[in-house]
Amino acid sequence: DAKTTQPPSMDCAEGRAANLPCNHSTISGNEYVYWYRQIHSQGPQYIIHGLKNNETNEMASLIITEDRKSSTLILPHATLRDTAVYYCIVRVEADSNYQLIWGAGTKLIIKP
Amino acid sequence: DSGVTQTPKHLITATGQRVTLRCSPRSGDLSVYWYQQSLDQGLQFLIQYYNGEERAKGNILERFSAQQFPDLHSELNLSSLELGDSALYFCASSVAALASGRNEQFFGPGTRLTVL
Repeated sequence: DAKTTQPPSMDCAEGRAANLPCNHSTISGNEYVYWYRQIHSQGPQYIIHGLKNNETNEMASLIITEDRKSSTLILPHATLRDTAVYYCIVRVEADSNYQLIWGAGTKLIIKP
Repeated sequence: DSGVTQTPKHLITATGQRVTLRCSPRSGDLSVYWYQQSLDQGLQFLIQYYNGEERAKGNILERFSAQQFPDLHSELNLSSLELGDSALYFCASSVAALASGRNEQFFGPGTRLTVL
């Protein structure tokens, strides 16, 4: 079962920041939070990941709360091409291996 | 382009048949993962191979099997196909299997399987 909860859909105006929330209240101390997105049935694309600290890369920023029970993915200047399903995923460790447990994701629609 | 290739792109077959999906990982990646995505659903992890050996199993049916060859490409075999097996099948690869470091998964474009 997925360890994350996300709203099923969100809208955002083009050029504005898109803030996508994710709850992961049962996350363990060594489990990472990953974000991927999937544009119209294409293969999912890695965006960013983090453990405790906030992270930023060329695509997005990831804000993780101090208690690690929730996080927010921020796309700073959303464009129409950012319309996609965004998945917040907990990376679960088992026997020195790991799995990504996928939920249903948030369908983000960027409007002109 | 992620560097992961999958063939075929589309596959249409009948119930009871057997098909093989193929995946070539990114150059240098030792780990291959298979996922199933039914219509409007999230991805379901099926199985993972690392350097030729099975590493982890998810919700994979007994009718399904996979292997990873010495050149690191992988095949997913689906047999006794049912209507409910119609889905997108994705392959992903990563550098390692171990839970350390960045090690994100890179996904191929998928194979769309339709069972009639």
